[in-house]
Amino acid sequence: KNEVEQSPQNLTAQEGEFITINCSYSVGISALHWLQQHPGGGIVSLFMLSSGKKKHGRLIATINIQEKHSSLHITASHPRDSAVYICAVRLWTSGSRLTFGEGTQLTVNP
Amino acid sequence: DAMVIQNPRYQVTQFGKPVTLSCSQTLNHNVMYWYQQKSSQAPKLLFHYYDKDFNNEADTPDNFQSRRPNTSFCFLDIRSPGLGDAAMYLCATSREGTPLYNEQFFGPGTRLTVL
Repeated sequence: KNEVEQSPQNLTAQEGEFITINCSYSVGISALHWLQQHPGGGIVSLFMLSSGKKKHGRLIATINIQEKHSSLHITASHPRDSAVYICAVRLWTSGSRLTFGEGTQLTVNP
Repeated sequence: DAMVIQNPRYQVTQFGKPVTLSCSQTLNHNVMYWYQQKSSQAPKLLFHYYDKDFNNEADTPDNFQSRRPNTSFCFLDIRSPGLGDAAMYLCATSREGTPLYNEQFFGPGTRLTVL
């Protein structure tokens, strides 16, 4: 079992829909990252969380440390949001290393 | 703008011919990372430099080496590329050792093709 599990693996939505991607982890962490990667491209850091909630534009990330769970929400989705979204955690035992989830492939159709 | 820069963006090499990938950063971060990412897979950490200290991952092949001549630059050397080394190579940086954990900032990647 992976230490970081994401769901769903693939998600298709219509433009304008509200989207939620989930991330669960099984060990103690110091921080959780949400990352975005467009096809063939580099990785963009969207959020780093250690508690609570963060918002940036149409993106919202939440984390529940007790439940070891985080969600990434996209409001009013747009085709340009189509990308792979990756949850990555900093384990207490691994210093600055990140442990990555397998990613969620999001496709937003016009 | 402060950023992580990787050169070249695309690199083609021949089987067995040494290749060097470059990463530079203007963020003045003290940690630099090299990841290998194959198609549809999560990035895999190869090694990282914490200041001048080199930290190799246990499963990184000896074929992969790295140099960090100064804070701003870090190089990935592949001594004898095999077909299995074709991948996207991502450089990232972070500032460590402060009370707050900092994000990793990624470069655009170098896509390596091995012929």
